[in-house]
Amino acid sequence: EVQLVESGGGLVQPGGSLRLSCAASGFTFSNSWMHWVRQAPGKGLVWVSRINSDGSSAIYADSVKGRFTTSRDNAKNTLYLQMNSLRAEDTAVYYCDSGPLGYWGQGTLVTVSS
Amino acid sequence: QAVVTQEPSLTVSPGGTVTLTCGSSTGAVASGHSPYWIQQKPGQAPMTLIYDTSNKHSWTPARFSGSLLGGKAALTLSGAQPEDEADYYCLLSYTDVRARVFGGGTKLTVL
Repeated sequence: EVQLVESGGGLVQPGGSLRLSCAASGFTFSNSWMHWVRQAPGKGLVWVSRINSDGSSAIYADSVKGRFTTSRDNAKNTLYLQMNSLRAEDTAVYYCDSGPLGYWGQGTLVTVSS
Repeated sequence: QAVVTQEPSLTVSPGGTVTLTCGSSTGAVASGHSPYWIQQKPGQAPMTLIYDTSNKHSWTPARFSGSLLGGKAALTLSGAQPEDEADYYCLLSYTDVRARVFGGGTKLTVL
C-alpha cells in the first residue's frame, strides 16, 4: 500500500523555523520527483516546491524562495521541507505529493502566530 | 508569475456532462504545460485525477477525461454522479521559469 505521511507541523511564532517531513512507502521513492503543496484555511491549493529524484535540484515558488529549502534522504524514503523566517501568510496545511504517480499525503498543519 | 484561470463554480445535473477549463495568462495551454486535474472533497486530501493532459490513474473514474480545447486544458465529466461534487484544481508547469502554478479551483455542484 502506498503511503505518504507528513509530520512536523505545529504552532510557531513569526520569524521562527520548522522542518516538515514526508515519509514515503509502497513505491520507489528514490525514482520519484516530489512536490510540496500548501493550502491556507478556506483557500485553494498553492504549489510550493519540487525536488528531483536524486535531490540535486529543487525549485520554489516566488513566495517562499530564499526562506524554504526542500531536501530528501532516499535511504530513509523521506522528503523534507525546512521553513525559515516564517510569516503569518505561511499558515496552511502542507501536503507532499508525488507528481505523476498521483499519491498525496494527508497533510500537516503549520500555524504561524504570536 | 503566470496566472492560471478556472471557472469559480459550475453546476451539473446528475447524469449530465460538464467541461471545466483551465487557461494561462501567458497564452495557449499546450501539452508542454503538462496539465494536471486534481479533485478535493471537503475535509479530504487532494487526489490527482488526470496528469500530463489526459492520462488517468487507476483510481480515476472512467467518466472523467482530460484534453486540450480551444487553447485551454479541459476536464470533461460525462455522466455526473453526486459523489463528483468537489473542488477541482488545474495545475500547469512552466518550464521556462521553473515553476508550477495552480488555478484558483472550480467548485462543482451536482444538482
